[in-house]
Amino acid sequence: AQSVTQLDSHVSVSEGTPVLLRCNYSSSYSPSLFWYVQHPNKGLQLLLKYTSAATLVKGINGFEAEFKKSETSFHLTKPSAHMSDAAEYFCVVSEWAGNMLTFGGGTRLMVKP
Amino acid sequence: DTGVSQNPRHKITKRGQNVTFRCDPISEHNRLYWYRQTLGQGPEFLTYFQNEAQLEKSRLLSDRFSAERPKGSFSTLEIQRTEQGDSAMYLCASSLGYRDTEAFFGQGTRLTVV
Repeated sequence: AQSVTQLDSHVSVSEGTPVLLRCNYSSSYSPSLFWYVQHPNKGLQLLLKYTSAATLVKGINGFEAEFKKSETSFHLTKPSAHMSDAAEYFCVVSEWAGNMLTFGGGTRLMVKP
Repeated sequence: DTGVSQNPRHKITKRGQNVTFRCDPISEHNRLYWYRQTLGQGPEFLTYFQNEAQLEKSRLLSDRFSAERPKGSFSTLEIQRTEQGDSAMYLCASSLGYRDTEAFFGQGTRLTVV
């Protein structure tokens, strides 16, 4: 069985400061891992994905994440937050069977001016 | 193609009524998924189709829920005898179905049962 834990339900940063959203996963197989972002009244959008290639994954809008198997973590980072980054972020795990996605509970990112 | 389309965007219904939602996936995508998202939670898997075949159903999908994907194109999700606990956002996603391919999500149908 697969599961995802997002360690912070809310994160608040100032504009221009670094962002760190933490995610731990559990999987019986070699998982694929994703980060999705959800802006109010908009659909879920893929930020980046890890698929057993490079452990440091770069995504859209300056986000990146590092897969650490020994720590079962897949934390999302960005060097400098922008006001437009304020949204809900979901860490997601997928195993081979069915490509079903299992979502974490989400982290709401707030960016202060 | 403008992505995954869901209709209606909002639905308010009285408890006990039946409701049906529609999802139109991206045209070349053979996999279609339904998820449910309640306030403050991440989406939870309900069911998925490979073309017209429904291959997996979550135990969240009670007997009051049924999903179809005739001809492997659009899909419908019906909820019979709605309950207040069914109030949620229902999300549809589609993908090419290969390992690791991206799932594209629609904007969802928000159901409110009063």
